[in-house]
Amino acid sequence: GAVVSQHPSWVICKSGTSVKIECRSLDFQATTMFWYRQFPKQSLMLMATSNEGSKATYEQGVEKDKFLINHASLTLSTLTVTSAHPEDSSFYICSARSRRTGGELFFGEGSRLTVL
Amino acid sequence: EDQVTQSPEALRLQEGESSSLNCSYTVSGLRGLFWYRQDPGKGPEFLFTLYSAGEEKEKERLKATLTKKESFLHITAPKPEDSATYLCAVQARSGEAGYQKVTFGTGTKLQVIP
Repeated sequence: GAVVSQHPSWVICKSGTSVKIECRSLDFQATTMFWYRQFPKQSLMLMATSNEGSKATYEQGVEKDKFLINHASLTLSTLTVTSAHPEDSSFYICSARSRRTGGELFFGEGSRLTVL
Repeated sequence: EDQVTQSPEALRLQEGESSSLNCSYTVSGLRGLFWYRQDPGKGPEFLFTLYSAGEEKEKERLKATLTKKESFLHITAPKPEDSATYLCAVQARSGEAGYQKVTFGTGTKLQVIP
């Protein structure tokens, strides 16, 4: 149980294009989903928190208009990187918190974004 | 501000050589401490949750303990397949009511040599 699927696992795009990453909780309903960014040899940096049906809460320094988050249902959240630039290249990981468990987060496999 | 510090940054062990990883934390209103394992290019894999000082959890060769200021992840007789980065995270209540933030440490990269 507590499986989180993230897609795509890697994507290469041209500068200026937009990229959408999906995060699904496969066997549980996620009250809250989180989006993280991870640079090489660094820890996870929280970008935003999203609750189903409401606007995402962004961390300080994260551009809301650049990283669009939609949490349309209890099992799906999407992150859209708009007008991507090379500095947006990174490893993006989503996580979900279940209603049933004690608050631990379950992570997707991550999405490697490379912007040319 | 919540802080999580892990040590050492990297640890190299011979197969069978037991050791411990440390996670020190400073938070207001701890709601839970989590341990994760992360392999290169993958998302973190959940290992344990600890809620209160004195609590212990075990899973195969891993044992996690918690005090009021730190947590240890003990690895007994490690094998090469235990090589990974181990992340510690704390969940605490932020200023906004009902919003519980999770803060991660920078991890300990463990390498177990055959």
